[in-house]
Amino acid sequence: GAGVSQTPSNKVTEKGKYVELRCDPISGHTALYWYRQSLGQGPEFLIYFQGTGAADDSGLPNDRFFAVRPEGSVSTLKIQRTERGDSAVYLCASSTSGAHNEQFFGPGTRLTVL
Amino acid sequence: SQKIEQNSEALNIQEGKTATLTCNYTNYSPAYLQWYRQDPGRGPVFLLLIRENEKEKRKERLKVTFDTTLKQSLFHITASQPADSATYLCALEEGTGRRALTFGSGTRLQVQP
Repeated sequence: GAGVSQTPSNKVTEKGKYVELRCDPISGHTALYWYRQSLGQGPEFLIYFQGTGAADDSGLPNDRFFAVRPEGSVSTLKIQRTERGDSAVYLCASSTSGAHNEQFFGPGTRLTVL
Repeated sequence: SQKIEQNSEALNIQEGKTATLTCNYTNYSPAYLQWYRQDPGRGPVFLLLIRENEKEKRKERLKVTFDTTLKQSLFHITASQPADSATYLCALEEGTGRRALTFGSGTRLQVQP
């Protein structure tokens, strides 16, 4: 079966621009997570969805970052007024709704802000 | 402050030997600890989960221990193979209902043939 997919795989943008990153979770997975990973670091939590609602957005660094999951499947991470410090790999993961389940990660979107 | 520490230096071992990776944490009380493998350019892949009331967990050539007194987890790969070369990440999940994982920075393992 298909795993978690993310598009685009690479995104280069200019400082100040708006970007959208998309995540297609594994079918049937109700939990969806966004992380970002800088070089040499582990993934850093951004936001967690259970179904359509954001159950925990405590990791979003500021109000330039926003994510949606309107139908409880695909999710979009939106970054406004991008800054060079936003450059990182953005990872999406999904899991079943049971507690403490393994998370299945996508390959990530590498965002570069020039 | 809360901190998760994994050896930042790469671990180089010979094929067939046992690799042991360390994950230490401070100011956390994790209910669960997970280990992931990450290859370059790819997302992490889940390997094992261990609960706070479990001392040890095994899966094929993998073994994880969890010592909540020492605040440490050890990850062992026995009979290591060059294909085991990757970065290994530990991740904590607190037992507060918060589902987010907090990751260490990972340790790169290189198995020499």
